[in-house]
Amino acid sequence: EIVLTQSPGTLSLSPGERATLSCRASQSVSSTYVGWYQQKPGQAPRLLIYGASSRATGIPDRFSGSGSETDFTLTISRLEPEDFAVYYCHHYGTSRTFGQGTKVEIK
Amino acid sequence: EVELVESGGGLVQPGRSLRLSCAASGFIFDDYAMHWVRQAPGKGLEWVSGISWNSANIAYADSVKGRFTISRDNAKNSLFLQMNSLRTEDTALYYCVKDTVSVTFDAFDLWGQGTRVTVSS
Repeated sequence: EIVLTQSPGTLSLSPGERATLSCRASQSVSSTYVGWYQQKPGQAPRLLIYGASSRATGIPDRFSGSGSETDFTLTISRLEPEDFAVYYCHHYGTSRTFGQGTKVEIK
Repeated sequence: EVELVESGGGLVQPGRSLRLSCAASGFIFDDYAMHWVRQAPGKGLEWVSGISWNSANIAYADSVKGRFTISRDNAKNSLFLQMNSLRTEDTALYYCVKDTVSVTFDAFDLWGQGTRVTVSS
C-alpha cells in the first residue's frame, strides 16, 4: 500500500503570502493519479488539482500543483482569506489513499 | 443542481448493521464510478469503497473488506453501502463521492455533505 506523508502538519501564514505544501509518497507513483483537495470546517472536501498539475473546474489560478515520482507540491501563490483550510493529497491509482492533511492557518 | 445526498446514518451498537444510501441528481449517474469516503471525528479522510458505472469493478479498503458491501441502482440514481459487523472504529462521517471516470477509479470531483455513523454500546 502506498503511504502519503504530508508536511508540514500546520502552516501559519498571513494573507497575501505564498503557501507551499508537500506530499511525499512511500514509493514512486504516476503523477496521473495524484490529486489535492481543500476542506473547510464543517464542509465536504473540494477537488482542487488532479493529475498532479491540472486545476479542477472553477479553481482559481493561484492554486497550482507540481511534482513527480515520490514528491508532489501544492502551491497557493497569494493566500486569500478563504484559502485558510485543511489540504489533503490523494493517490487514486492501484491503491486509493489520502495524506494526513496540512492545515493552513492564519498567522 | 448537481448534488449527492446521503442518508441512513445513526447510532448503532457494535456488531450490528447499517445501510447507507446516496441519492444523486443533476448529472448522468451511470456515466461515473462512485465511492464512499469516511472521516472519523477530528481525523483525516479514508477511502472506504468504490464501484464502477456497471458494478463490474468493485474495491474495498482492507479495513472494511468482508464486512461492507457497496452497490448501486442506476435506474434510481442511487449508491448504497451495507455495513455489517460494525466496530467502534467505524465511527465517522461517511461521504458519497462521484468519480471523474466510469470504469477505473480516478479523482473525486463531487462530494455529498455526509451522513454520520456512530458505533457505540
